[in-house]
Amino acid sequence: QLQLQESGPGLVKPSETLSLTCTVSGGSISSSSYHWGWIRQPPGKGLEWIGNIYYSGSTYYNPSLKSRITISVDTSKNQFSLRLSSVTAADTAVYYCARHVTYGAGYYYFYYMDVWGKGTTVTVSS
Amino acid sequence: QTVVTQEPSFSVSPGGTVTLTCGLSSGSVSTTYYPSWYQQTPGQTPRTLIYSTDTRSSGVPDRFSGSILGNKAALTITGAQADDESDYYCVLYMRSGIWVFGGGTKLTVL
Repeated sequence: QLQLQESGPGLVKPSETLSLTCTVSGGSISSSSYHWGWIRQPPGKGLEWIGNIYYSGSTYYNPSLKSRITISVDTSKNQFSLRLSSVTAADTAVYYCARHVTYGAGYYYFYYMDVWGKGTTVTVSS
Repeated sequence: QTVVTQEPSFSVSPGGTVTLTCGLSSGSVSTTYYPSWYQQTPGQTPRTLIYSTDTRSSGVPDRFSGSILGNKAALTITGAQADDESDYYCVLYMRSGIWVFGGGTKLTVL
């Protein structure tokens, strides 16, 4: 059974860079049918899509965060990572990693998130 | 900037039927946005309910159904139960490769 697990510091200082890693177990990150992505949820607010990456390294980012985001993949470790620079208190959130189903053939295409990590809380504070 | 709209809140009586919608600030939602729906109870990880407009995810009860109603995607819960009280989020896939969450609907069952 595929599992995703987020890891990284729970506290980051303002203006510094937030770094998180998602470890994939029970399946390979190098599958042509999926992208691997990040979603966050500030306290008491809704979910926000951050971006995703294909095992080849191609990325898609939320335009509102694009200037501060880097998502990378390490297929040898079955992991992908998020770096968010110049953080402020507004970046305080629960950060989830999730598998994005992205495949299709003929008339049938599928785009949805099907497996989520449990989430990790990141607080931005001095 | 693409904005995906959802009702902030909705209430339904136990056993009743409710339809939550997912629209675009400009334009219509169609199947080509591959709308998907997620349920989240407080403190929990989101759970996938519906994808590709109307396909139920594995294990999701058939009281949950998805459709396109007019110019919006819709999630209908038929025979609402107490444990359906949750936040519901829709997501639209943009052809640019970007995914956009709606603001979520807080559903109360009372």
